[in-house]
Amino acid sequence: DAKTTQPPSMDCAEGRAANLPCNHSTISGNEYVYWYRQIHSQGPQYIIHGLKNNETNEMASLIITEDRKSSTLILPHATLRDTAVYYCIVRVDNAGNMLTFGGGTRLMVKP
Amino acid sequence: DTGVSQDPRHKITKRGQNVTFRCDPISEHNRLYWYRQTLGQGPEFLTYFQNEAQLEKSRLLSDRFSAERPKGSFSTLEIQRTEQGDSAMYLCASSLTGGVNSPLHFGNGTRLTVT
Repeated sequence: DAKTTQPPSMDCAEGRAANLPCNHSTISGNEYVYWYRQIHSQGPQYIIHGLKNNETNEMASLIITEDRKSSTLILPHATLRDTAVYYCIVRVDNAGNMLTFGGGTRLMVKP
Repeated sequence: DTGVSQDPRHKITKRGQNVTFRCDPISEHNRLYWYRQTLGQGPEFLTYFQNEAQLEKSRLLSDRFSAERPKGSFSTLEIQRTEQGDSAMYLCASSLTGGVNSPLHFGNGTRLTVT
């Protein structure tokens, strides 16, 4: 399985954009990049996923580099409620298609 | 609420007792997963079902653990003869299909404390 590398922690000012990087240099052609976040005492929450094109939804934008070796999750206007652990996951296309979580990035949004 | 539902939210038990957790996936989701999460770590895969068939088990799933999904809807996870090392958050997730393009949606978990 492709592994991901994320910074262990980041800070962001409330109202500013939060840009969370992820490296996945060994990603294969059929592997998707998924982002989840986990707020304290809750289950992981699905945010967004993509294969090669940039994606946007009501929560965030996902920017994937052309060589697919890295990606950035963008929260355009971070709020205090966005404080969470953010997981970047490369999902392998196999029978199980389970998600393999790493350590994630702990994002602290500060007033 | 049409999300994944888990019951109970919290369970405290004494070592050696058996416990059972229930997960109700999102309606019409064919795939159901169980994960375990210990403090400060990311969730770890335990097992998954495609409809009622249990198709894969992690090596983390010792023989004291058993999971079922009898009618392809709700699922139960039972732990027999609990040990202190079983203390963790047990998470259930479901997805519409088993495809890699079908996101998993997680419940808020059952937190187990073994004393």
